[in-house]
Amino acid sequence: AQKVTQAQTEISVVEKEDVTLDCVYETRDTTYYLFWYKQPPSGELVFLIRRNSFDEQNEISGRYSWNFQKSTSSFNFTITASQVVDSAVYFCALRENNAGNMLTFGGGTRLMVKP
Amino acid sequence: DVKVTQSSRYLVKRTGEKVFLECVQDMDHENMFWYRQDPGLGLRLIYFSYDVKMKEKGDIPEGYSVSREKKERFSLILESASTNQTSMYLCASSLSLHEQYFGPGTRLTVT
Repeated sequence: AQKVTQAQTEISVVEKEDVTLDCVYETRDTTYYLFWYKQPPSGELVFLIRRNSFDEQNEISGRYSWNFQKSTSSFNFTITASQVVDSAVYFCALRENNAGNMLTFGGGTRLMVKP
Repeated sequence: DVKVTQSSRYLVKRTGEKVFLECVQDMDHENMFWYRQDPGLGLRLIYFSYDVKMKEKGDIPEGYSVSREKKERFSLILESASTNQTSMYLCASSLSLHEQYFGPGTRLTVT
């Protein structure tokens, strides 16, 4: 069973629009970690954020914000005032406490920001 | 900054060839990983290593093997390449229980 679901395979927005990328996860562990990575056209995944299961406080970093809701098993990512440079594939990932260092990735969401 | 490098960005091989993909990291990380990335499937773990000469199978190890003779280097080996191994291969490294850092990827085409 897929443990991380990114239902949006592709999103297209116009520059300056806000956009939210959805991530829903499934785990039986009470301790786990969630991650977001960005993969620009160059191919290299860039780490964006890590969140542990005991910290439900939302996080904001510049134009990026993350909304973690354990009640709905979601960890959504919002880009405010999107820019062309935000165009990339974004991956959500889960690390369960009993999985050691192994990550389970979602299928990814391709974001296209048009000028 | 963590630096993870992969030996080739693009590689074209013939069916049946033995293929070596090399990965080197410069941050003294104990963990190293090999993934393949296919459209719609995200990243799937092939193998990982938590120490020199140690390895563990990931989700899709069939058709692959790995070698870690030195801490900084982790090699992925396709013993006899097949067309269904055409994919993007990504290497990553991490300290224990920390985020993983990725290399630029190798796009392998098997004809």
